[in-house]
Amino acid sequence: NAGVTQTPKFRILKIGQSMTLQCTQDMNHNYMYWYRQDPGMGLKLIYYSVGAGITDKGEVPNGYNVSRSTTEDFPLRLELAAPSQTSVYFCASRHNPGQQNTEAFFGQGTRLTVV
Amino acid sequence: RKEVEQDPGPFNVPEGATVAFNCTYSNSASQSFFWYRQDCRKEPKLLMSVYSSGNEDGRFTAQLNRASQYISLLIRDSKLSDSATYLCVVNPGEGRRALTFGSGTRLQVQP
Repeated sequence: NAGVTQTPKFRILKIGQSMTLQCTQDMNHNYMYWYRQDPGMGLKLIYYSVGAGITDKGEVPNGYNVSRSTTEDFPLRLELAAPSQTSVYFCASRHNPGQQNTEAFFGQGTRLTVV
Repeated sequence: RKEVEQDPGPFNVPEGATVAFNCTYSNSASQSFFWYRQDCRKEPKLLMSVYSSGNEDGRFTAQLNRASQYISLLIRDSKLSDSATYLCVVNPGEGRRALTFGSGTRLQVQP
């Protein structure tokens, strides 16, 4: 099992450019999440999905979009990159949250710099 | 008030020391609780879940106090390899389906 795979690992964008951060998981988890982590800070939820075709906003969704066409994939789209979006982005997945103490598995992160 | 609050540290302790971290949460309906560990420039990984009765995993002990809405993590006999940031994580419940993370407490174990 590869677990949660994110690509790319690093990216530099110019202001106004767009890009898609890819995330895929091979654990057949229903729930997937996108978090961002600014230096010295905790993780803030951007978007999440409880299954294919269903997405919902988290704490900081502005400037981002997501889609969930399959169970495995949950890409995050930045349409007009801004310096405030410079951060480390983590994708995570989790199985059957009805069982309260299930673990969330994280990808290795994407370090994005907007200049 | 933040949903999950932690002392950011850093906690600088010598090898072999015992160190404790606390975390408070604001939502009394929160349903489950975790400690995650995050190494520098790496992804968070589950250290342990926190159960109402308290639980232990080797040198690590987690406690939950629902009445006071805080969670603790005790590390005994600290090792150099314990140096990391420890994230308090709460499942808020009430239909919310994502975990809420504290900002983390940084631990530096020194030789």
